[in-house]
Amino acid sequence: KAGVTQTPRYLIKTRGQQVTLSCSPISGHRSVSWYQQTPGQGLQFLFEYFSETQRNKGNFPGRFSGRQFSNSRSEMNVSTLELGDSALYLCASSLSPAKTYEQYFGPGTRLTVT
Amino acid sequence: QKEVEQNSGPLSVPEGAIASLNCTYSDRGSQSFFWYRQYSGKSPELIMFIYSNGDKEDGRFTAQLNKASQYVSLLIRDSQPSDSATYLCAVNTGGSTLGRLYFGRGTQLTVWP
Repeated sequence: KAGVTQTPRYLIKTRGQQVTLSCSPISGHRSVSWYQQTPGQGLQFLFEYFSETQRNKGNFPGRFSGRQFSNSRSEMNVSTLELGDSALYLCASSLSPAKTYEQYFGPGTRLTVT
Repeated sequence: QKEVEQNSGPLSVPEGAIASLNCTYSDRGSQSFFWYRQYSGKSPELIMFIYSNGDKEDGRFTAQLNKASQYVSLLIRDSQPSDSATYLCAVNTGGSTLGRLYFGRGTQLTVWP
């Protein structure tokens, strides 16, 4: 069974630009969560989607947004990039929110903002 | 704010020893607890989860949960150099935040031969 895939794996953007990251969950998984990982803050929750609906959102500014499609694939978008947005963005999938113990992470997208 | 605290480390143990990793959490309503292993440059990998008070064993790994003390730990027996990684403790508080994990900052473990 294929794991969680994320594209692109690496990205370099300039301040002020916007970026879209993509996540394809494990086949059959319908819940997708996004996390930001930085050396200073560790792993922080961004948002969670299930059945195309955002169920939870972390404490991030409105520049961070996401969506989920009917095939469970998810995208997150960051507008007006800031230097502090440089991080590893991780996507995790599970069968449903109730099955968090089956939350598997993708390889991540390394975003560098210059 | 739901806090998850881990012993800061780094932790260094010789090969064959027992490595003990600790984690405390602030939300008494927390329902499920997870240990992830993250190798440098890689994404977190789930190694254990525990829901009930007591011990749960899986091979060389044992997770221990004490909800009264709001404490969860991970023991790694017969530590191997391949266990060298950062170990992340994560907590789920259920309810409306069912799909959300709160992570500690991680403990870096080095197992030397």
